[in-house]
Amino acid sequence: QVQLVQSGAEVKKPGASVRVSCKASRYTFSSHAIHWVRQAPGQSLEWMGWINAGNGNTKYSRRFQGRVMITRDTSARTAYMEVSSLRFEDTAVYFCAKGMGSGSYSPIDNWGQGTLVTVSS
Amino acid sequence: QSVLTQPPSVSEAPRQRVTISCSGSSSNIGNNAVNWYQQLPGKAPKLLIYSDDVLPSGVSDRFSGSKSGTSASLAISGLQSEDEADYYCATWDDSLNALVFGGGTKLTVL
Repeated sequence: QVQLVQSGAEVKKPGASVRVSCKASRYTFSSHAIHWVRQAPGQSLEWMGWINAGNGNTKYSRRFQGRVMITRDTSARTAYMEVSSLRFEDTAVYFCAKGMGSGSYSPIDNWGQGTLVTVSS
Repeated sequence: QSVLTQPPSVSEAPRQRVTISCSGSSSNIGNNAVNWYQQLPGKAPKLLIYSDDVLPSGVSDRFSGSKSGTSASLAISGLQSEDEADYYCATWDDSLNALVFGGGTKLTVL
């Protein structure tokens, strides 16, 4: 079945950047979207942005515009999400998730295991 | 504050039926398909329902979804202890141009 394997937990200082990777397998990577969703401790899910893994088009939540960058490497079947200028409130579990199709409207049908990013001085 | 409104918690006895509501507006639920996710403690979410009422392969038919106007509902019948989890609705919001989630509903099986 579909697998999305994310990179390991990170601890960063305020102002730093973090990059989380998401390696996909067992499906046609370039035919589907990859979304990034985060979940702060005890909070709901928050969508950050999306990439069409085929053509590389991206769309970001206005809340994260300018501070988040989503990219992909089709040969490595891997998507990346980088957050810059980290703040304490960015402490959260970050999930990558696969869309049923390649568009941003396509439902998310599979999720990575999550990556805990802790921002601490 | 979430764009989509869900009750923070619901509870019901085993073998009974429970519904979880998700209220939105014309820019989200009223114009786009709703999806539902189950999140067990410490785990990633899992797709339960997509396109308002479609059950993915492998998901128990004890779960069902419906939508009317700007509200959607998830129903779970024959409640089991393993259904204890957080449930989230999600849909696209045309005004925000973003995927939006509800605040989540914690289900307790008494």
